[in-house]
Formats: sequence, structure tokens, C-alpha cells
Amino acid sequence: GQSLEQPSEVTAVEGAIVQINCTYQTSGFYGLSWYQQHDGGAPTFLSYNALDGLEETGRFSSFLSRSDSYGYLLLQELQMKDSASYFCAVRGNNAGNMLTFGGGTRLMVKP
Amino acid sequence: DGGITQSPKYLFRKEGQNVTLSCEQNLNHDAMYWYRQDPGQGLRLIYYSQIVNDFQKGDIAEGYSVSREKKESFPLTVTSAQKNPTAFYLCASSPSRADTQYFGPGTRLTVL
Repeated sequence: GQSLEQPSEVTAVEGAIVQINCTYQTSGFYGLSWYQQHDGGAPTFLSYNALDGLEETGRFSSFLSRSDSYGYLLLQELQMKDSASYFCAVRGNNAGNMLTFGGGTRLMVKP
Repeated sequence: DGGITQSPKYLFRKEGQNVTLSCEQNLNHDAMYWYRQDPGQGLRLIYYSQIVNDFQKGDIAEGYSVSREKKESFPLTVTSAQKNPTAFYLCASSPSRADTQYFGPGTRLTVL
């Protein structure tokens, strides 16, 4: 099967940098995705890594190391609106090659 | 505007009743998905469909049923066989089996 582990909660101050880690176990690997979800809202896609290295999209960056089965999401210049839950999701060789989501990391940004 | 709509936003039902949650998309996506989310938890896949008139069970399909008669629509029925149906239900779509999924606003179901 597939499983992912990420910290349940992270706290940081406005303007700082925070890193949310994700380790995964999967048979086969197609890619690691990150989604953001504000309380009561729908998840929205942030980034996707299929190959090792860093992908940058504005204040957000995502990193992948396939040999370590590890990735992280880096948020820079934190803003209050970044307070949300962040989910990593992996697609591997499960039935239908569907996404499996981690339990989510709740990020609290303080002034 | 293209997107995914789910209705209703909040739904209350008595125990033992079946209930159908609506999901419609106008993104012209082939694939559609239903997820369940419990408080403080991640998303768990209930059913998915990669093409019209075909759908597959996800990780937690017991007590649920779906249909995919049109590309735009993927309704989910929560049956009385689902032992703990109170949850937040999210519908998503994607172009074929892409890793980028687009989510609807969700339906919060409470069974009394």
C-alpha cells in the first residue's frame, strides 16, 4: 500500500520561512503533489514534483528526493493568509494509480 | 466560469436514510473523484471514474454508490449501510489521471 507521514502542526511568525516535510512509502512512484486547504474550504493544488530537485512558484517551493522517499514544501515570507492545512499526496502503483493523501499539516501563522 | 459545483453545502439526514450528493463540472475533465474528510484528517478516496459509464472503488467504498452517466456529473449516494456517514465530502476532477485535481467546495453531511 501507500502511506505518507507529515507533522500534524507547525507554527511560525509572519514574514518567516517554514518547511513542511513529507515522507512516503509507495510501490512505484509517479509524483508528489502538495495541496492547501483553508478551514471549511476546498483543497487547492500548489505544486507537483515528479523528478528530484526544487520547484519554485512564487513564495512557495517544493522539493523531492526520490531516493529518500522524501519531499518538503517551503513557504517564504509567511503571511497570515497562509494559515491553513497543507497536504502532500503521492501517486504510485496502487489500483488505478490514484492519489493517496497524507494526514495534513496545520500551519498557524502568528503576527 | 469553469469549475466544480457541489450541492448542497450542508445536508442533514436521519439515520437509516439514503442521501445523494451532487457534483457537476464544466471543465471538460475525463476523471472525477469522491473523497471523504473527517475532522483533522486527510482525504480518503471513496470512488473514482476515469470515463463515462465506468467507475471504480477507492479505499473506503463500502456503504457508498456512484453513477457516471454524463461526463459532467458524478453523484454520490450515501446509503444506510454506511456506518458512520457524518463527514465532509469533496468531489474533484482532473484531465485523465493527472496529479492536479480540482476540487469542489464540498458538502458537509450530518446524520442525526
